[in-house]
Amino acid sequence: QKEVEQNSGPLSVPEGAIASLNCTYSDRGSQSFFWYRQYSGKSPELIMSIYSNGDKEDGRFTAQLNKASQYVSLLIRDSQPSDSATYLCAVGPRRGGYQKVTFGIGTKLQVIP
Amino acid sequence: NAGVTQTPKFQVLKTGQSMTLQCAQDMNHNSMYWYRQDPGMGLRLIYYSASEGTTDKGEVPNGYNVSRLNKREFSLRLESAAPSQTSVYFCASSDGPGVTGELFFGEGSRLTVL
Repeated sequence: QKEVEQNSGPLSVPEGAIASLNCTYSDRGSQSFFWYRQYSGKSPELIMSIYSNGDKEDGRFTAQLNKASQYVSLLIRDSQPSDSATYLCAVGPRRGGYQKVTFGIGTKLQVIP
Repeated sequence: NAGVTQTPKFQVLKTGQSMTLQCAQDMNHNSMYWYRQDPGMGLRLIYYSASEGTTDKGEVPNGYNVSRLNKREFSLRLESAAPSQTSVYFCASSDGPGVTGELFFGEGSRLTVL
């Protein structure tokens, strides 16, 4: 069983729509959760981190965490063609703990103009 | 600020050759990491260094060695390259502890082993 699971996609959404990206994880002791964006041929870039159950909003991005269901998601409102990229979910231990995170394979998002 | 700088950006090796990937960060971060990224496999941790003077194995350390030269620099060495080591390698750093998953990545090094 993979530790962090994501659908590889591609997920295609029209411009202006809401894109919903999902991730599940297997380790119930996980305490830190991250979303990275990776453009083709480029390096990953951190866009959201979330540590508590519920929603966290930053501009057009909202991260949602449900530890009971071991589920984390990323919503992108008013999707733009520039949002087309692969989105990596990463899961880590408690703050200050063993310094390692586990990445999913990523979901490729295509925003259609 | 340069952030995390990796060299070289591209390299082609023959099986059995050795090489070192260099990484330097100018953010005064404590922790540094080496990942490899392969299609369908995601990012996998090779080695990491939680602080200057310490190194630890990650998920896929076989065939690699690392050196944390100082707080800024963390190198990855392939002693005898194999075709299975063809990959894109990323160096990353983080402030740590407390922000362990908030990684800053270098631009990557694309390695091909023939």
